[in-house]
Amino acid sequence: GENVEQHPSTLSVQEGDSAVIKCTYSDSASNYFPWYKQELGKRPQLIIDIRSNVGEKKDQRIAVTLNKTAKHFSLHITETQPEDSAVYFCAASPGTYKYIFGTGTRLKVLA
Amino acid sequence: DTGVSQDPRHKITKRGQNVTFRCDPISEHNRLYWYRQTLGQGPEFLTYFQNEAQLEKSRLLSDRFSAERPKGSFSTLEIQRTEQGDSAMYLCASSLIWEFDTEAFFGQGTRLTVV
Repeated sequence: GENVEQHPSTLSVQEGDSAVIKCTYSDSASNYFPWYKQELGKRPQLIIDIRSNVGEKKDQRIAVTLNKTAKHFSLHITETQPEDSAVYFCAASPGTYKYIFGTGTRLKVLA
Repeated sequence: DTGVSQDPRHKITKRGQNVTFRCDPISEHNRLYWYRQTLGQGPEFLTYFQNEAQLEKSRLLSDRFSAERPKGSFSTLEIQRTEQGDSAMYLCASSLIWEFDTEAFFGQGTRLTVV
């Protein structure tokens, strides 16, 4: 069935270092891959997304890469700041316009 | 329009009682989704609507759960005969989709506690 695996579940980095979160999806029909950030007690908010016809997308300190052959996609955050601390969720849309979410990565940026 | 709103924000109910939650999506959005989120997990898909039509319902969803979107605007999610395992955050999201997937905007959720 439709499944998205996300690793690691927790990640601690020093301020200024980079953070990488990886996801794997199961449904080869998936064609849209959003990443959401959820701060404690708040709603998930989109930070970046990528479509299957693109291999990489950047937005300032955030980038996402997609390997369709391997069914992998990754979030890269450079020059991390304390305000980047949150839970990050990847998701995949298996062509039916619903989003299947990963289990989340709790990122802690240590000052 | 300040985004997706959900009501109530918190609900405590006794086991066996029925509860109903409301979601008001962003006004021009044609898609509406319900998700459930438990502590330490990602949002779990429950169901979604295209306008007033319910297009898919998760196989994991018990018959005690029902959702409606009668006029293609707001939606309600009802849980009958609540169980302690129903305790979770219930998130609503909406999006505007024609040919391609686009961003789903989430509400702040309704936190349900079944005691």
